Amino acid sequence: DGGITQSPKYLFRKEGQNVTLSCEQNLNHDAMYWYRQDPGQGLRLIYYSQIVNDFQKGDIAEGYSVSREKKESFPLTVTSAQKNPTAFYLCASSSRQGVGNQPQHFGDGTRLSIL
Amino acid sequence: KQEVTQIPAALSVPEGENLVLNCSFTDSAIYNLQWFRQDPGKGLTSLLLIQSSQREQTSGRLNASLDKSSGRSTLYIAASQPGDSATYLCAVRRGYGQNFVFGPGTRLSVLP
Repeated sequence: DGGITQSPKYLFRKEGQNVTLSCEQNLNHDAMYWYRQDPGQGLRLIYYSQIVNDFQKGDIAEGYSVSREKKESFPLTVTSAQKNPTAFYLCASSSRQGVGNQPQHFGDGTRLSIL
Repeated sequence: KQEVTQIPAALSVPEGENLVLNCSFTDSAIYNLQWFRQDPGKGLTSLLLIQSSQREQTSGRLNASLDKSSGRSTLYIAASQPGDSATYLCAVRRGYGQNFVFGPGTRLSVLP
């Protein structure tokens, strides 16, 4: 089945540590996105990538980094500079065909907590 | 800056009721609007996508309407079932090739 796989499902970070969240898709989508979800708030965009080897900052990129070396993969690193990383992280992808007309598809998320 | 709100924040109804969820956005110049469903601890599932030129979209028991001039969209759920219990989010795309702005969601509970 085609879809988006996020791993791990749960992740714990120690103070001063960088952690990387994995996102893989087999939908042949060009565009991929990372969102952060906090209780009672809507999703907020961290980074997005419309094509391999290119990515753009979203609304809350500080303390995060990404790479897009392969079409299928868009890993997110939460750095020690992100002072409040506890949240639910969601990865999404969409087709660029008819850009803007295609729905976004989401993974099942990674819940990150501070130890 | 586009802002999206959803009222109510939570809703509890008995099984079989028809219900309406509301989504409001501050900038009426949107490209399209998407409704999602989110089950606890899970990602989002796309329900309906309405283009800015459309007034409504239907899928099974779901009907979504869009009134750009008033900055509103509604999601109508007919004959609600306990399996409909979830959080429903709306999101607006600001322009061609741009990204979504999400509302905070409405948490729906359908009681058997």
